[in-house]
Amino acid sequence: GAVVSQHPSRVICKSGTSVKIECRSLDFQATTMFWYRQFPKQSLMLMATSNEGSKATYEQGVEKDKFLINHASLTLSTLTVTSAHPEDSSFYICSARNSGGATGELFFGEGSRLTVL
Amino acid sequence: AQSVTQLGSHVSVSEGALVLLRCNYSSSVPPYLFWYVQYPNQGLQLLLKYTTGATLVKGINGFEAEFKKSETSFHLTKPSAHMSDAAEYFCAVKPRSNDYKLSFGAGTTVTVRA
Repeated sequence: GAVVSQHPSRVICKSGTSVKIECRSLDFQATTMFWYRQFPKQSLMLMATSNEGSKATYEQGVEKDKFLINHASLTLSTLTVTSAHPEDSSFYICSARNSGGATGELFFGEGSRLTVL
Repeated sequence: AQSVTQLGSHVSVSEGALVLLRCNYSSSVPPYLFWYVQYPNQGLQLLLKYTTGATLVKGINGFEAEFKKSETSFHLTKPSAHMSDAAEYFCAVKPRSNDYKLSFGAGTTVTVRA
């Protein structure tokens, strides 16, 4: 089946630094990718929709200057958490839509756990 | 607007017993429906989905779900639980349009007793 890979799977950083998380579709083209945030024991919260070649669409309440999203190619989207603080610590998951695939199916990455000290 | 409700945040079953996870949706038009499983510190894996056609959908790992329009439900079942079924399960919906955003339920944690 389709594979979506995230890197890094775990990252620890100091407060005030920026962290970049990559989301790659390994065997299909993805014009649209989604970034989610998941707090412990909670559901996934959609942060933004990443569109190849255009600006991301952010959900209400998500700071676009805090969470920079770039979708420069059909197989790669990046999420950069800028000036990270401890409250940004979370599990970030991306998903990708197979442009040529079945209706509505998304494929999820393995997730990236960010810990900000 | 559509929403998803998963009844029961935690379900505990004995190994070999029936697993039943409840999911109800709220939408004026029946959406596409999905069940995902998440193991600790991992992403989501699709168990099964309903888009059209037969309302009883069979998925991976012995799971199945039935779409009932009259009850706006999409409950997930497995006849006989296995220890490896211990995980977090999410019901999700997507509108029948080109909007590919998924709306997730709160999730149900399944524990399996030996």
